[in-house]
Amino acid sequence: EAGVTQFPSHSVIEKGQTVTLRCDPISGHDNLYWYRRVMGKEIKFLLHFVKESKQDESGMPNNRFLAERTGGTYSTLKVQPAELEDSGVYFCASSQHKTQYFGPGTRLLVL
Amino acid sequence: GQQVMQIPQYQHVQEGEDFTTYCNSSTTLSNIQWYKQRPGGHPVFLIQLVKSGEVKKQKRLTFQFGEAKKNSSLHITATQTTDVGTYFCAGQGSGTSYGKLTFGQGTILTVHP
Repeated sequence: EAGVTQFPSHSVIEKGQTVTLRCDPISGHDNLYWYRRVMGKEIKFLLHFVKESKQDESGMPNNRFLAERTGGTYSTLKVQPAELEDSGVYFCASSQHKTQYFGPGTRLLVL
Repeated sequence: GQQVMQIPQYQHVQEGEDFTTYCNSSTTLSNIQWYKQRPGGHPVFLIQLVKSGEVKKQKRLTFQFGEAKKNSSLHITATQTTDVGTYFCAGQGSGTSYGKLTFGQGTILTVHP
């Protein structure tokens, strides 16, 4: 069974630019989550999709972040415009029940 | 909001010594999950504890969930160099079915051969 995949693995952009991260969950998993780990800090929840609907977006830091999951399959997380403090590792996870399986993450560096 | 505190932040041990990391939640949890992240890797699911007072074992790893479902621990017996990594606990709030995980800060374990 293929795991959660994320693209790209790394992204280096300048402040003010736009970046779009993609997550492909495990096939059949209705729940999809985005998390972020800023350097030296804990992994923090961003939002949760159930199929194509946003179940909980309480962790989204501000309106520069936009997440979508059209069709209830893969998801994208767009940061526009990116700021220096957005740098970190963005993880996606999926689940069918309670156990969440994480992808390899996208390492984002904003210069 | 819900907070999960995890200690210690770092632990250095000699190979063969035991290791324990502890988590404490500010609120009662529905369940707690443990993950291991190798250097440069991503969190890999280890186990989930659901019941009050639950104890589960995986070879040299022993996981416990407190009676009040607010604290948990992971104990590794006779560490090996392959145990190196960051161990995270992550809790789901009481009443939450398949919702967000609140992570502890993680414990970075180094094992000296």
